[in-house]
Amino acid sequence: AQTVTQSQPEMSVQEAETVTLSCTYDTSENNYYLFWYKQPPSRQMILVIRQEAYKQQNATENRFSVNFQKAAKSFSLKISDSQLGDTAMYFCAFMMTNTGNQFYFGTGTSLTVIP
Amino acid sequence: DSGVTQTPKHLITATGQRVTLRCSPRSGDLSVYWYQQSLDQGLQFLIQYYNGEERAKGNILERFSAQQFPDLHSELNLSSLELGDSALYFCASSVGGAAGYGYTFGSGTRLTVV
Repeated sequence: AQTVTQSQPEMSVQEAETVTLSCTYDTSENNYYLFWYKQPPSRQMILVIRQEAYKQQNATENRFSVNFQKAAKSFSLKISDSQLGDTAMYFCAFMMTNTGNQFYFGTGTSLTVIP
Repeated sequence: DSGVTQTPKHLITATGQRVTLRCSPRSGDLSVYWYQQSLDQGLQFLIQYYNGEERAKGNILERFSAQQFPDLHSELNLSSLELGDSALYFCASSVGGAAGYGYTFGSGTRLTVV
């Protein structure tokens, strides 16, 4: 079974500072995808960043980057230059390559950016 | 606007009743996925349809059923509703049957069972 653990229920960061959200997962699969989704107060689930497990290079998308440690089964999200609009719930998610359809989500981290 | 349309946005109903949630996928997407987001269970995968056919099934109760129509819109039917079915129900869509690049989510239907 695939499990995703986010051990930080709530976090806060000052505007313009950097914050890192943690995620660990457990799987016996070798090929998979990892994602971070953002859910602002509007409830919309928005894709932040995606990583393929076979790629060693960490994914980056503008101010968002990941630290993917496959051996440790760790997938943390770093947000640089935090903005007020980053305030949201952040979910880490896992998807197996061989099925490519079902997400296994963590329980989420509520991030508040303080002005 | 993500392009995935869910109706209604809010729904309040009584225990024992039946409701239908509707989803129109993003133009060109053939797969539709349904998720339930509740406080105690988090985000749980319910079911996937691809081009009208059921492709994958997750933790969907027998009281729940879904289908995808020829125009690719999908409906999730929830019957014999219980208080514990109160949740946010998301629909998402993707182009193919596999979604390694992720899905596009709708804004959800908030179901409250009283």
